[in-house]
Amino acid sequence: DVKVTQSSRYLVKRTGEKVFLECVQDMDHENMFWYRQDPGLGLRLIYFSYDVKMKEKGDIPEGYSVSREKKERFSLILESASTNQTSMYLCASNHLGGNTEAFFGQGTRLTVV
Amino acid sequence: RKEVEQDPGPFNVPEGATVAFNCTYSNSASQSFFWYRQDCRKEPKLLMSVYSSGNEDGRFTAQLNRASQYISLLIRDSKLSDSATYLCVVNGIAGTYKYIFGTGTRLKVLA
Repeated sequence: DVKVTQSSRYLVKRTGEKVFLECVQDMDHENMFWYRQDPGLGLRLIYFSYDVKMKEKGDIPEGYSVSREKKERFSLILESASTNQTSMYLCASNHLGGNTEAFFGQGTRLTVV
Repeated sequence: RKEVEQDPGPFNVPEGATVAFNCTYSNSASQSFFWYRQDCRKEPKLLMSVYSSGNEDGRFTAQLNRASQYISLLIRDSKLSDSATYLCVVNGIAGTYKYIFGTGTRLKVLA
């Protein structure tokens, strides 16, 4: 059974904290993605990576960074958490190429207080 | 204009009804198209890919109209378990890896 696993289901952090969201996939996928999902706005791409140590900005990268040191792991970092980063964060992965199914993790509900 | 647009709904339909959703996309060079389903508080999961010739999977039919730049999803004989949000997804220009999601259409099937 294919799996994308996010490290936490729920997270509460304080404003200004550095936050790490971890994602691991066991399907040997080249591509990995971080999205955030907000009501009325849908899923918006923050960053994606198509290979180890490679990263590209998505549509809303401000306030975020990423790390991909190993093929199976993609980390999202909030350098200094702010209340407007309260959201559902979804990690996804798929094989290289334009027509392959993306598999999602279960999501991390982050609340910044 | 948004890259991918969907009517947010909700569509409230009785069991057994047929319901159709449309989704429009702005980039005429888009190559790949999908419908994903998302249940409340769950992650999105692939429902079906959308091929140029159209495709059917049981009660679900997906169509692509490149000339008018829209894709559609038809659900026949709706079941209570079909209640979910349906996300239209477009993979942008060939050679890029971005999946662009619509905001989703909520469907409620009523007993």
